[in-house]
Amino acid sequence: QQPVQSPQAVILREGEDAVINCSSSKALYSVHWYRQKHGEAPVFLMILLKGGEQKGHDKISASFNEKKQQSSLYLTASQLSYSGTYFCGARGDTGRRALTFGSGTRLQVQP
Amino acid sequence: NAGVTQTPKFQVLKTGQSMTLQCAQDMNHEYMSWYRQDPGMGLRLIHYSVGAGITDQGEVPNGYNVSRSTTEDFPLRLLSAAPSQTSVYFCASRMGQLNTEAFFGQGTRLTVV
Repeated sequence: QQPVQSPQAVILREGEDAVINCSSSKALYSVHWYRQKHGEAPVFLMILLKGGEQKGHDKISASFNEKKQQSSLYLTASQLSYSGTYFCGARGDTGRRALTFGSGTRLQVQP
Repeated sequence: NAGVTQTPKFQVLKTGQSMTLQCAQDMNHEYMSWYRQDPGMGLRLIHYSVGAGITDQGEVPNGYNVSRSTTEDFPLRLLSAAPSQTSVYFCASRMGQLNTEAFFGQGTRLTVV
């Protein structure tokens, strides 16, 4: 079962902040975040583990609420290069060991 | 270091034809997966493998077969192509540990007419 992402799309001006949410109905062991530019393959951003700390990557950070099975990706002071589609990937606590991905959030940063 | 290599990059098939999408990785990764990407649907898991000789179904396995005879290769077979299989297909690999990133190939854009 795919995790659910929100919002589906967001438009920002350079320098503005955004939050992308990811939730799952099943217990999660880890949450992965990827960014995909148009016509390219998804590229890894970060992993959050059950019991782990909030992660950061430049001005992009993320958190993982194990009790709610939710993760949020925070983009601070957005840059044009942040434009793309963001996917969260979830790995369940039991059963299937592959990642299942949400439907994506399209982020467009305008000058 | 080539990473994950998918071939072909583009393919047009007629309904009912069969073909194999190739995926190879040179990182000695245990886990390999196939996803399809359709507009508004994100990346949906087709099949995956946790090592040579071991495969399992994902979310949308119907119409696709896989096998994993070596660590490096994980081909995806379409037995009888249907227009509903028109999509962009991505292969991904990662190490067997739980907290490792997935590396994606550049994708295969398949059109079934």
